[in-house]
Amino acid sequence: EVQLVESGGGLVQPGRSLKLSCAASGFTFSSFPMAWVRQAPKKGLEWVASISSGGGGTYYPDSVKGRFTISRDNAKSTLYLQMDSLRSEDTASYYCARSIYYYSSYLDYWGQGVMVTVSS
Amino acid sequence: DIQMTQSPSLLSASVGDRVTLNCKASQNIYKNLAWYQQKLGEAPKLLIYNANSLQTGIPSRFSGSGSGTDFTLTISSLQPEDVATYFCQQYYSGSTFGAGTKLELK
Repeated sequence: EVQLVESGGGLVQPGRSLKLSCAASGFTFSSFPMAWVRQAPKKGLEWVASISSGGGGTYYPDSVKGRFTISRDNAKSTLYLQMDSLRSEDTASYYCARSIYYYSSYLDYWGQGVMVTVSS
Repeated sequence: DIQMTQSPSLLSASVGDRVTLNCKASQNIYKNLAWYQQKLGEAPKLLIYNANSLQTGIPSRFSGSGSGTDFTLTISSLQPEDVATYFCQQYYSGSTFGAGTKLELK
C-alpha cells in the first residue's frame, strides 16, 4: 500500500524558514517524480514544486521560485520542501504527492497533509 | 498560464441522481485533464486521468469525458459517500487546478 506521511509543519513568523518532510513507503520511491501541492484555508489547490525521480530536475511556479527548494533522498525514501522567507500568503496545508510524469502530470497518491501557518 | 473554470461552484442533488460537473480550460489542453475528490478534512483522491481513464479502485459510477477545452465528470447514481468537493486539473502545460465544485445532498 502506497503511503505518504508529511511532517514538519507548524507556526512560523514571517521571514523565517521551515522544512517539510514526506516519508514514502509501499512503492519504489526512486522510480517516481514527486510534487508538493498546497491548499490555503477554504481555497483551491496550488502546485508549488516538482522534482524528477533522480532529483536532478526541479520546477517551481513564480509564486515560490527563489524561496522554496524541493529535494529528495532516495536512499531514505523521503521528500523535502525547504521554505525560506515565508510570507503570510504561504499559510496553507501542504501535501506531498506522487507524480506520474515530471513537471506536467497528474498525481495518483497524496499524503494527508501538514499545516503551515505563517504569522507573527 | 492556463486557467481552469469549474461550474457550478455548488451543486445540490439527491441520492440516486445523475450528476454532471463541468470544467473548462482557457486553451486547448487535449486530454491532459484529471479529476480529484476531496472530502472534508482529507487529502484529494485521484478519480480520473487523461480525461476519461478511471483510476484503479474508483467505483464505475464515476466517469469523465471531453477533450480540448470542455470536460465533464459524471456520477451516474449519486451515493451519500460522494459528498465532497471535486477539482479538475490540467497538466498540458505546467499544472493548474480549478476552484472546485462542492457537491452536497439535497
